[in-house]
Amino acid sequence: AQSVTQPDIHITVSEGASLELRCNYSYGATPYLFWYVQSPGQGLQLLLKYFSGDTLVQGIKGFEAEFKRSQSSFNLRKPSVHWSDAAEYFCAVGAQGGTYKYIFGTGTRLKVLA
Amino acid sequence: DSGVTQTPKHLITATGQRVTLRCSPRSGDLSVYWYQQSLDQGLQFLIQYYNGEERAKGNILERFSAQQFPDLHSELNLSSLELGDSALYFCASSVDGRSGYEQYFGPGTRLTVT
Repeated sequence: AQSVTQPDIHITVSEGASLELRCNYSYGATPYLFWYVQSPGQGLQLLLKYFSGDTLVQGIKGFEAEFKRSQSSFNLRKPSVHWSDAAEYFCAVGAQGGTYKYIFGTGTRLKVLA
Repeated sequence: DSGVTQTPKHLITATGQRVTLRCSPRSGDLSVYWYQQSLDQGLQFLIQYYNGEERAKGNILERFSAQQFPDLHSELNLSSLELGDSALYFCASSVDGRSGYEQYFGPGTRLTVT
């Protein structure tokens, strides 16, 4: 069965520090992978997505993510965090093959210290 | 602004009552998704429609129902409301209902059941 795990519920980093948010998935083949961000009081916004090809994906707001098939991971990274990055981040998995199955992880809440 | 609109923004009602939440998808999007977000359950997928037809069902209670109309707007009906139904309800849309397409989220409707 398809599933996605975000092991870290909360992460705190200092402004200017690097960031890595973890996402692990379970799926029999290569899935579609997404990262979304939810700022307080807002809906979710797509940061980036992976379908195929280059395993390092660039997104908006300076974020990138790397698909590692051997580790079933799709971790989100940012080299230098800004205070405005404080938000909740969701990893999502979509099954390939024209199906309609789409699963969100439980989210990681990021706190940024000034 | 994602282009997805949801009304109302806030809704306060009493237990046992019935409410209707409305969603208008982005122009050109055929698929609509409904999600419930609460502190203890996280982001839960409820139901998906594609061009007026139900496509996928998640953790939607029998007291809840939804439909998508010919103009593609959607309504989520919640009846016999309980205190535990208090949550943020998000609508999302995508151009295609299949899982390879990113979803665009509305700002949400905050439901408070007293």
